[in-house]
Amino acid sequence: QKEVEQDPGPLSVPEGAIVSLNCTYSNSAFQYFMWYRQYSRKGPELLMYTYSSGNKEDGRFTAQVDKSSKYISLFIRDSQPSDSATYLCAMSHSGTYKYIFGTGTRLKVLA
Amino acid sequence: DGGITQSPKYLFRKEGQNVTLSCEQNLNHDAMYWYRQDPGQGLRLIYYSQIVNDFQKGDIAEGYSVSREKKESFPLTVTSAQKNPTAFYLCASMLAGQEGKLFFGSGTQLSVL
Repeated sequence: QKEVEQDPGPLSVPEGAIVSLNCTYSNSAFQYFMWYRQYSRKGPELLMYTYSSGNKEDGRFTAQVDKSSKYISLFIRDSQPSDSATYLCAMSHSGTYKYIFGTGTRLKVLA
Repeated sequence: DGGITQSPKYLFRKEGQNVTLSCEQNLNHDAMYWYRQDPGQGLRLIYYSQIVNDFQKGDIAEGYSVSREKKESFPLTVTSAQKNPTAFYLCASMLAGQEGKLFFGSGTQLSVL
């Protein structure tokens, strides 16, 4: 079993839809949770990071962490064609400099 | 402009050749990383360095080497021992104590001729 599981998609939604992206993980020691957006053949861009449990909101993006279920989510409201990209989750635990990445979910927002 | 600069953008390797990928950052970050990205496999850690003159192997270090002689530079050499080097290589960096804030360069696509 992989430490981090992420549905590869592709996920196609109409413009303006609410998008839900998810990752599950197996290591209960993870405390730092990140979401990255990656356009084709570009470096990943850090969208959100969360420490421990709870929600964090930034503009149209909301990140949720449920440590009891070992499940994290990224919600995108009012999705735009420019949101079309691959979204990667990543996590690590305190005291280590190592990050574990999901395989990424490809999102396509249709105009 | 602060950031992480990777060069070249595209690189081609001949059989038996060593090639070096450059990564420079002017963010004053302490830790630097090299990841390899293959389609459908996510990012895999090759090497990382927390401080100058020190580095640790990641999950797929075989066939690669690094050096960290300066804080701002972390070059990756893909040696001839790496039999399947075609991939997208990403350099990243982080400020000590800022776990969760890992930033990436724009990547280098390495292909075998």
